[in-house]
Amino acid sequence: GDSVTQMEGPVTLSEEAFLTINCTYTATGYPSLFWYVQYPGEGLQLLLKATKADDKGSNKGFEATYRKETTSFHLEKGSVQVSDSAVYFCALSEGSGGSNYKLTFGKGTLLTVNP
Amino acid sequence: DGGITQSPKYLFRKEGQNVTLSCEQNLNHDAMYWYRQDPGQGLRLIYYSQIVNDFQKGDIAEGYSVSREKKESFPLTVTSAQKNPTAFYLCASRLAGNTGELFFGEGSRLTVL
Repeated sequence: GDSVTQMEGPVTLSEEAFLTINCTYTATGYPSLFWYVQYPGEGLQLLLKATKADDKGSNKGFEATYRKETTSFHLEKGSVQVSDSAVYFCALSEGSGGSNYKLTFGKGTLLTVNP
Repeated sequence: DGGITQSPKYLFRKEGQNVTLSCEQNLNHDAMYWYRQDPGQGLRLIYYSQIVNDFQKGDIAEGYSVSREKKESFPLTVTSAQKNPTAFYLCASRLAGNTGELFFGEGSRLTVL
């Protein structure tokens, strides 16, 4: 079946450092790709998404580009803040939108940003 | 405000007992999902439902049961057959036909004593 592999953490950075979290996927069709963020003790929130090849998703200074040739969707931010400390999940959609539609998640990457 | 409400937030259970986690949404979403989260394992799909009175097993359905009698509600029962029930449980919903965004509740943490 489809799967998502993301870099294992934890990742520790200083404030204003550059962030990259790698994500690669395997899929039989043409999935949509997502990054979700989870702050301590909370559920997940959608951070950004891309629905087709070469699309770039962006939000709150984070960006990710859907690269079909390398089956990747790496998350980047040019200057992280302490408030970005959270767990980040890469995910892909499976199914065609009908009764079998679901999301498959990577294992998550814990990011800690120090002042 | 629309959203997903999970209850209880924290729950303790003795071994051998069944427990039901509540999930209610007022977003008018058609599809609902239950995920289990364990440290280092990410999110794993337990059950999902695309319409009322219909649901499908996910990757780790053994020891769990669900019902979908109303569009707004998708309760999860953790039965005594579940070998390692201590975990963080997340409920989510999705509007049919959109490009896949799931909206999540704040989760329920179950601890088996």
